[in-house]
Amino acid sequence: NAGVTQTPKFQVLKTGQSMTLQCAQDMNHNSMYWYRQDPGMGLRLIYYSASEGTTDKGEVPNGYNVSRLNKREFSLRLESAAPSQTSVYFCASRRSFASTDTQYFGPGTRLTVL
Amino acid sequence: KNEVEQSPQNLTAQEGEFITINCSYSVGISALHWLQQHPGGGIVSLFMLSSGKKKHGRLIATINIQEKHSSLHITASHPRDSAVYICAGSLYNTDKLIFGTGTRLQVFP
Repeated sequence: NAGVTQTPKFQVLKTGQSMTLQCAQDMNHNSMYWYRQDPGMGLRLIYYSASEGTTDKGEVPNGYNVSRLNKREFSLRLESAAPSQTSVYFCASRRSFASTDTQYFGPGTRLTVL
Repeated sequence: KNEVEQSPQNLTAQEGEFITINCSYSVGISALHWLQQHPGGGIVSLFMLSSGKKKHGRLIATINIQEKHSSLHITASHPRDSAVYICAGSLYNTDKLIFGTGTRLQVFP
């Protein structure tokens, strides 16, 4: 049981390049999330998916697109990277059952855009 | 002003000390979460509570719904407790969390 996995762990891009961050979970969770974490700021929601086939914008969606490929996988795409997208990106999945509500986070992707 | 605010931002302690981290929120939430971010970056959930108090080992979390305030206490702190502690609120009728900026705790031997 690997939990939430993310690839890559590190990435350096030049302005204007594109890339996709991959996320997968093996816990059969319906909800999945993409966050970014910047110094001095709390985690901010980019996009989320409440279930397979649905996606919704979060707080900071501009410059990003997502795909919920199936129940396991939720990818984040930067079409034309900008230096403002330099950040650490976390994927998470959510287990909500009875009185429990827990988010499980991936290890993060550290992205630098030059 | 952030909708979820934590204090202090930074905290240092000697091993064995009792630690308190505070979280105040100004939005309607159905539950309050405490998370721990290790120095290596990984984030794990510690507690989810909607009322009262929860305890896990040396960690205790409390919430006062009327005052919109939660605290995380660490008893007999240890250097391995050094981490960033983050509180987050589950927004009503959504699948979303809203996060505080975190409290960086360093515990020295």
